[in-house]
Amino acid sequence: QKEVEQNSGPLSVPEGAIASLNCTYSDRGSQSFFWYRQYSGKSPELIMSIYSNGDKEDGRFTAQLNKASQYVSLLIRDSQPSDSATYLCAVRVRSSNTGKLIFGQGTTLQVKP
Amino acid sequence: GAGVSQSPSNKVTEKGKDVELRCDPISGHTALYWYRQSLGQGLEFLIYFQGNSAPDKSGLPSDRFSAERTGGSVSTLTIQRTQQEDSAVYLCASSRRDSPTGELFFGEGSRLTVL
Repeated sequence: QKEVEQNSGPLSVPEGAIASLNCTYSDRGSQSFFWYRQYSGKSPELIMSIYSNGDKEDGRFTAQLNKASQYVSLLIRDSQPSDSATYLCAVRVRSSNTGKLIFGQGTTLQVKP
Repeated sequence: GAGVSQSPSNKVTEKGKDVELRCDPISGHTALYWYRQSLGQGLEFLIYFQGNSAPDKSGLPSDRFSAERTGGSVSTLTIQRTQQEDSAVYLCASSRRDSPTGELFFGEGSRLTVL
């Protein structure tokens, strides 16, 4: 089992819709969770971090964390064509005292005008 | 500098040659990470530096790979006797060790192509 798993997609949504991106992780003791956005040919850019159960909202983005289910998601409201990118879920595992993040394979999102 | 700087941005080399990739982290960031991203894949952890020491080298794929960091700043990733499977984008990231949120900030990467 991979430590961090994502559906590779592509996930296609129409402009203005809600895009829902999902991620599961295997280490039950994981403490920190991050969503990065990566445009084609560019480096990953942090868009959200979440540390406790529940929802965290930032503009059109909402991160949701459920530690009991080992599940973290990212909702993008009012999706725009500029949101089309690969979204990487990253987890800081309990066993790491180095701060390194373990990344999922990424989900490609396509927002169609 | 304002962000993580990596060089070269692109490197094409022949199989068997050695290559060096450079990373200049954000000023004041004591933690530095190297990741590798193969085509269509996620990020694969290679090595972590805290200051000049590397307490976690667990991701280095073989003894052809090595890295060092000097002055608690610039890091160099060296790949000896390159192979075609080494072709990837090598990403460097840095963070403040004492940051409560622990975000990693990435450079633009060095794209390595081994012919």
